[in-house]
Amino acid sequence: DQQVKQNSPSLSVQEGRISILNCDYTNSMFDYFLWYKKYPAEGPTFLISISSIKDKNEDGRFTVFLNKSAKHLSLHIVPSQPGDSAVYFCAASVETSGSRLTFGEGTQLTVNP
Amino acid sequence: DTGVSQNPRHKITKRGQNVTFRCDPISEHNRLYWYRQTLGQGPEFLTYFQNEAQLEKSRLLSDRFSAERPKGSFSTLEIQRTEQGDSAMYLCASSSGIMDYGYTFGSGTRLTVV
Repeated sequence: DQQVKQNSPSLSVQEGRISILNCDYTNSMFDYFLWYKKYPAEGPTFLISISSIKDKNEDGRFTVFLNKSAKHLSLHIVPSQPGDSAVYFCAASVETSGSRLTFGEGTQLTVNP
Repeated sequence: DTGVSQNPRHKITKRGQNVTFRCDPISEHNRLYWYRQTLGQGPEFLTYFQNEAQLEKSRLLSDRFSAERPKGSFSTLEIQRTEQGDSAMYLCASSSGIMDYGYTFGSGTRLTVV
């Protein structure tokens, strides 16, 4: 049972343009959502998070949008840079449990110069 | 403190052997997690400690797997009688419990069972 899904295995964009990565979830108990970036041979690196009481959170070039009614979140990167090329994972948690993150399968982002 | 440290980085073992991995979390973090990641998948939760107490275990964690966190500091993950299906990246993460800061992952231990 895949509770967090990233339906696009890969995305390619031009440098300077917007990258939009999408994520869907099925468990309505999730109340905290996070995005991680992963380079080869490294562990995932935390990017940005959002609580279910918000619909948008922004940090520099990264913005996460949450649509609770659609059980959908997205990560916008603008402007995209070649150094952003990595695998991006969305993850969800039930905050009060303080325990597990449930991850999606990941999306490989390639930013072309 | 430079983050979460995992040792070894790589481990090749023969099927049937036992292996042990170590994780040193960020010192101020009281929560420690183990995940497993296979090719093309996101990390899968294995187990979670708060201080020295193991509070949750995934059904993925068969009885061949055991994890400890003595004194609430470093943690070890042991796999007994390894099988080829155990080949994966084993990731450790730690957290202060404040979700705004996320969980900090180590670089992982790559296990290959031959």
